[in-house]
Amino acid sequence: AQKVTQAQTEISVVEKEDVTLDCVYETRDTTYYLFWYKQPPSGELVFLIRRNSFDEQNEISGRYSWNFQKSTSSFNFTITASQVVDSAVYFCALNYLYNFNKFYFGSGTKLNVKP
Amino acid sequence: DTEVTQTPKHLVMGMTNKKSLKCEQHMGHRAMYWYKQKAKKPPELMFVYSYEKLSINESVPSRFSPECPNSSLLNLHLHALQPEDSALYLCASSQSMSTSGGDNEQFFGPGTRLTVL
Repeated sequence: AQKVTQAQTEISVVEKEDVTLDCVYETRDTTYYLFWYKQPPSGELVFLIRRNSFDEQNEISGRYSWNFQKSTSSFNFTITASQVVDSAVYFCALNYLYNFNKFYFGSGTKLNVKP
Repeated sequence: DTEVTQTPKHLVMGMTNKKSLKCEQHMGHRAMYWYKQKAKKPPELMFVYSYEKLSINESVPSRFSPECPNSSLLNLHLHALQPEDSALYLCASSQSMSTSGGDNEQFFGPGTRLTVL
């Protein structure tokens, strides 16, 4: 069974704090893909990153970084020096090989960054 | 151009109305998706079109009728909706439905906020 768990429903931080959003997944497949999307209040889901199961290299993009650990089935997302514009709902998602690109979304984490 | 556009942004309709949602992309993507998203929930897949043919219907009630007139356009026709159908309707596209070659991220439009009275 495929499942994505985002245990943090809502997180509030003050601007410039670092924050980590957790994502834990379950799959029996050896080839799979993990994603993070950002959904600001405007509603559009913005693609942030894709990782395949064979690439455990961590990635950094500006203030964003991702830590993929197969040993713990986690794909965590860290925002360094958070800004008010980072306030949004963040979704982690999973799909796997030959599943018609059907995404399994986590329940989302709402991040509030206060000035 | 990595944009998916959707019209209208907001729609209010009565239960006896017929309306349509429109989605457009010009990225050359061959897979297009309709999602429904209720407040504080993740998107739920409704339909998937691949090369303009309906590939997946997630047991959606027949009051929702999708249409893919060409590779760039996706419509969702609405008829006799219920108040519980009020939600954000999101369209997305991807290179294809295949996940084997990577490049399988989906790009989403801004959505249509639908209210059924």
